[in-house]
Amino acid sequence: GAGVSQSPSNKVTEKGKDVELRCDPISGHTALYWYRQRLGQGLEFLIYFQGNSAPDKSGLPSDRFSAERTGESVSTLTIQRTQQEDSAVYLCASRGANEQFFGPGTRLTVL
Amino acid sequence: QKEVEQDPGPLSVPEGAIVSLNCTYSNSAFQYFMWYRQYSRKGPELLMYTYSSGNKEDGRFTAQVDKSSKYISLFIRDSQPSDSATYLCAPSVGSWGKLQFGAGTQVVVTP
Repeated sequence: GAGVSQSPSNKVTEKGKDVELRCDPISGHTALYWYRQRLGQGLEFLIYFQGNSAPDKSGLPSDRFSAERTGESVSTLTIQRTQQEDSAVYLCASRGANEQFFGPGTRLTVL
Repeated sequence: QKEVEQDPGPLSVPEGAIVSLNCTYSNSAFQYFMWYRQYSRKGPELLMYTYSSGNKEDGRFTAQVDKSSKYISLFIRDSQPSDSATYLCAPSVGSWGKLQFGAGTQVVVTP
């Protein structure tokens, strides 16, 4: 079956604009994670959804960042009033019983 | 101090050599230790994992964990050009949960 998909693959925006990043998890996976990867750095945890439980938002860097997930389907990560330091690859992963499977990421560039 | 430290490299080796990668960590609560491989412009994929201290072998790959010194290693035998990628260690407190990634080590295997 299909893996985790993310859209868009690349996004260039101007400082101060809002952006929405989308993640389509593997069907049936109850857990979904968002990570950020800055150039030359490891993945930084942002937020975690597990079923109908309240999401773990402990990694969100500021109140400009928010994410939603409806049921066990698509998730959207929204960044408001983007800043240049938000430039990074945003990776989504979904998990069934065990392993996290990652999507290819969205490369965000804030000019 | 970061929770997980990993030398970013790059580490360049000739084909057929043994590649030695390592991470150190500070959180003694980590129990699960994952290694991910990430090719350029792709999402990370799970290579192997170990639980607690000890060794685990899978084909040309061997993972070692020494919890007493908080030291994690990955060895790649008979390295191939297709092994050229970034390798990220990712320990976790709970199994398959929120991962804490190292910065990743870039490996280049030259023919």
